[in-house]
Amino acid sequence: AQSVAQPEDQVNVAEGNPLTVKCTYSVSGNPYLFWYVQYPNRGLQFLLKYITGDNLVKGSYGFEAEFNKSQTSFHLKKPSALVSDSALYFCAVSPRISSGSARQLTFGSGTQLTVLP
Amino acid sequence: DTGVSQDPRHKITKRGQNVTFRCDPISEHNRLYWYRQTLGQGPEFLTYFQNEAQLEKSRLLSDRFSAERPKGSFSTLEIQRTEQGDSAMYLCASSSQGKPYEQYFGPGTRLTVT
Repeated sequence: AQSVAQPEDQVNVAEGNPLTVKCTYSVSGNPYLFWYVQYPNRGLQFLLKYITGDNLVKGSYGFEAEFNKSQTSFHLKKPSALVSDSALYFCAVSPRISSGSARQLTFGSGTQLTVLP
Repeated sequence: DTGVSQDPRHKITKRGQNVTFRCDPISEHNRLYWYRQTLGQGPEFLTYFQNEAQLEKSRLLSDRFSAERPKGSFSTLEIQRTEQGDSAMYLCASSSQGKPYEQYFGPGTRLTVT
């Protein structure tokens, strides 16, 4: 069974500083990895994904994530944080299985990011 | 707006009552997922449809829960004899045949069982 760990419930960072939200995973074989963001009273919004190829993945709103197979990590990063980035961030994993099967996502417990002005 | 929609957005019900939620996926998406999210946790997978066929169900989905997608378009999730432990946000997501791993989520239905 797959699992995702987000070791930090809360991350605070000053506006303009770089941010990192950590994620580690456990899955058989090579995974699909995702980051989603959740704003209050809104649904989960897709940020970025790692499927294959370059270990550095770029996504929406200037976010990027680095896939590290040896450390089984997929940390979310942004060079310069904005106050509007404050939200709840979820890392998710899906196993690589045959087409036609479900690709249900297994989510971490989330990290609340607060960007301080 | 061509995103995933869910109705109602909020539902308050008394313990023991039945409730039904609706999800309308993105129109060209043939895959539909239901998840449940409780406070302080990430969403947990409940069930999955490919077109009208329900292909997978989580062990979280007790016998009181049933989901349908009769024409391969919208889906309903029914909870019978609700319990306080059913209080949660119920999320629907959809994805396309070409990108099954890229799921788009609706705003959710928040259920409160009193």
